[in-house]
Amino acid sequence: SAVISQKPSRDICQRGTSLTIQCQVDSQVTMMFWYRQQPGQSLTLIATANQGSEATYESGFVIDKFPISRPNLTFSTLTVSNMSPEDSSIYLCSVEDLAGISGNTIYFGEGSWLTVV
Amino acid sequence: AQSVSQHNHHVILSEAASLELGCNYSYGGTVNLFWYVQYPGQHLQLLLKYFSGDPLVKGIKGFEAEFIKSKFSFNLRKPSVQWSDTAEYFCAVIPYNTDKLIFGTGTRLQVFP
Repeated sequence: SAVISQKPSRDICQRGTSLTIQCQVDSQVTMMFWYRQQPGQSLTLIATANQGSEATYESGFVIDKFPISRPNLTFSTLTVSNMSPEDSSIYLCSVEDLAGISGNTIYFGEGSWLTVV
Repeated sequence: AQSVSQHNHHVILSEAASLELGCNYSYGGTVNLFWYVQYPGQHLQLLLKYFSGDPLVKGIKGFEAEFIKSKFSFNLRKPSVQWSDTAEYFCAVIPYNTDKLIFGTGTRLQVFP
């Protein structure tokens, strides 16, 4: 399976600031995704990071708040803009590991735990 | 609305008890099914997955899950739990013709010695 590295692993951020999270994969992958896991909650898909084009956002998430870059097949960034305490969450990068024509598996990075004060 | 449902939000068991966690989904067509586990303070790990073939799949750490197509279910089982199985368990689905992994709400399992 692909090895996924996220930076930062943890951060405490001031209200109103922005933070960019980096996701690096050790192999080329077609699909990269960003998820959010709020405290005590399940994971919610924010967007699909598309290489060379704008990300595809899920309902409730917008580019102005969560701009995403995907310059190549091994790297993506997620920015959380103009943060408020409600943005305190774990943000996870995930990639699709193609297992052949029978299916695929999605693996997750260790997450970036953001606390907004 | 299409979704993934986990009926048990919090399960408390003693060691050696048997475990079954429910998962139902409402997507039609062919789906890929997964169970992930998140141990306290750790990142999400894949327990097992089902794509096709034998509907009874075996995963790591003695877990297994059974896909019942007629019931749209993919329940997770373990015959004898251990204290170290204390964790949050997430059922997830990749619906037909998408690459998006949709998660259930999660089940918190506490195992007491």
